[in-house]
Amino acid sequence: GAVVSQHPSWVICKSGTSVKIECRSLDFQATTMFWYRQFPKQSLMLMATSNEGSKATYEQGVEKDKFLINHASLTLSTLTVTSAHPEDSSFYICSASRQEGQPQHFGDGTRLSIL
Amino acid sequence: AQSVTQLDSHVSVSEGTPVLLRCNYSSSYSPSLFWYVQHPNKGLQLLLKYTSAATLVKGINGFEAEFKKSETSFHLTKPSAHMSDAAEYFCVVTPRGGFQKLVFGTGTRLLVSP
Repeated sequence: GAVVSQHPSWVICKSGTSVKIECRSLDFQATTMFWYRQFPKQSLMLMATSNEGSKATYEQGVEKDKFLINHASLTLSTLTVTSAHPEDSSFYICSASRQEGQPQHFGDGTRLSIL
Repeated sequence: AQSVTQLDSHVSVSEGTPVLLRCNYSSSYSPSLFWYVQHPNKGLQLLLKYTSAATLVKGINGFEAEFKKSETSFHLTKPSAHMSDAAEYFCVVTPRGGFQKLVFGTGTRLLVSP
């Protein structure tokens, strides 16, 4: 199989704090990982694509200084929402693929609530 | 540019009756098409994919979809709905041969009543 684990599954924090979300490929090496954002009752919007060992590629309109992505190893990528505000509240989902052109396997998502 | 249009935001069926979730696509190149399912507060699970072989694609849990180029459609069907099929379904397009830059439809919520 191809299992992707995302942690935490739910986080509530105060406005102004930074929140880190982890995405791990448990049984395969992922050269490419993707981060998506999903608003209630809406579809997934790609935020950024990260390749192991290089800088993430952000989609237009996504603030790279706000959403820090690190893909330091072949099994772990992290998304840090810096100085989070209520408008950052959303469902964040990661996916991972073994290499470009291979299927994406999705994590179970992280629900982020900023008070 | 590529896009998908899911024609129904909600579909309601009774358990044991057929399911039809509609999807139309637009693509500048030959596309790969997918259907994903998302249960509440969960990630996405791949149901099936079309990448250029047979136009009728069979997936997991009894779902299938037919690629119709003339109609630019990729509708998802299942002969008999089960309560556990209640979920959100996404039609997705990407350039053929590439699984990058998935473009998602807006989703269809399937409701199954006893």
